[in-house]
Amino acid sequence: GAGVSQSPRYKVAKRGQDVALRCDPISGHVSLFWYQQALGQGPEFLTYFQNEAQLDKSGLPSDRFFAERPEGSVSTLKIQRTQQEDSAVYLCASSLGLGLETQYFGPGTRLLVL
Amino acid sequence: GIQVEQSPPDLILQEGANSTLRCNFSDSVNNLQWFHQNPWGQLINLFYIPSGTKQNGRLSATTVATERYSLLYISSSQTTDSGVYFCAVLLAGGYNKLIFGAGTRLAVHP
Repeated sequence: GAGVSQSPRYKVAKRGQDVALRCDPISGHVSLFWYQQALGQGPEFLTYFQNEAQLDKSGLPSDRFFAERPEGSVSTLKIQRTQQEDSAVYLCASSLGLGLETQYFGPGTRLLVL
Repeated sequence: GIQVEQSPPDLILQEGANSTLRCNFSDSVNNLQWFHQNPWGQLINLFYIPSGTKQNGRLSATTVATERYSLLYISSSQTTDSGVYFCAVLLAGGYNKLIFGAGTRLAVHP
């Protein structure tokens, strides 16, 4: 596929469960971003990878959120002990170079915590 | 931090009408992108436009970086243009994260 893909597309979790969200960036893209979009709002930055290096995690809302990109391609965003306030759409984006170029977004994972 | 303000927040159009969406930002930026978020939530790239003017079919965009604003023009609107339009900026100074505005919600009626 030519675009950014994410899985699962929908996830329902009970409060306290751990979840893992996957992002497959466009092949060859160096930079990978995670954003969180609450209902009715614009996306907000969570974290940024350049290849396998996590260069910015200033947007992660708590230490329950963890992201990795071990081989510089696929990335996983993990949320431990989910809370209701974690319910949102989680968007992944990638860009070709070092992050100043166009960012291309995946379809998102819609997380609902009950 | 940088403020990104979009106007109007909501817009209702009759099919065939033209419209202008505005994005104001409060600091120098390296990058500005316009996106259309369709009803299924997919963010679709419209323009990468840190400065100047670009056109793509019925859509065009202009960014005046020195005055810190960008405009998105939609001509001859169609029902498929409905959705939310976001402006997002990348701060100057080594930051890589996009800062999004709150969006303009557009509904085009037949």
